[in-house]
Amino acid sequence: NAGVTQTPKFQVLKTGQSMTLQCAQDMNHNSMYWYRQDPGMGLRLIYYSASEGTTDKGEVPNGYNVSRLNKREFSLRLESAAPSQTSVYFCASSIASEQFFGPGTRLTVL
Amino acid sequence: DQQVKQNSPSLSVQEGRISILNCDYTNSMFDYFLWYKKYPAEGPTFLISISSIKDKNEDGRFTVFLNKSAKHLSLHIVPSQPGDSAVYFCAASRWDAGGTSYGKLTFGQGTILTVHP
Repeated sequence: NAGVTQTPKFQVLKTGQSMTLQCAQDMNHNSMYWYRQDPGMGLRLIYYSASEGTTDKGEVPNGYNVSRLNKREFSLRLESAAPSQTSVYFCASSIASEQFFGPGTRLTVL
Repeated sequence: DQQVKQNSPSLSVQEGRISILNCDYTNSMFDYFLWYKKYPAEGPTFLISISSIKDKNEDGRFTVFLNKSAKHLSLHIVPSQPGDSAVYFCAASRWDAGGTSYGKLTFGQGTILTVHP
């Protein structure tokens, strides 16, 4: 039982490049989330998926897209990366209010 | 508009003493509150929670207090241990009338707790 897994752990991009962050959970949770963590800002919700087949914007969705591929997997895509998207990205899943987090992806955009 | 605020960026405590971490919120619709703990290079892990129908919840060395009138909650750790050194986030959510959580959490900025041996 791995919980929530994220790939990659680290990534460096150049401005304008695209990439997809992958997330998977094996806890059979309905809801999944993507957050970014920046110094002094806490965790801010980018997108969430309340159940398979649905996605919705969070607090900071601009510059991102998501896909809920199936119940297990929820990916986050940066179509044209910008230096302002340098951050640590966390995926989480939940069946109620308690959310379980992955280990994070540290992304640097040059 | 920061709806959940942790006004102390850091806290330093001696081993064995009490650690008190504070959190304030502005949205009166919040009715469920959680504390998460985060070590470097790891994701946050759930610590303890409290519903708005309670004013206190205990789990071992950890106690969360909720003061709804002041829109304030606090986490007490007694006694503090060096392994408690981490970043602590408070988070808030709300439940709909049907009792199903909206699921979305609003986090505070975090407080870095350092417990000295």
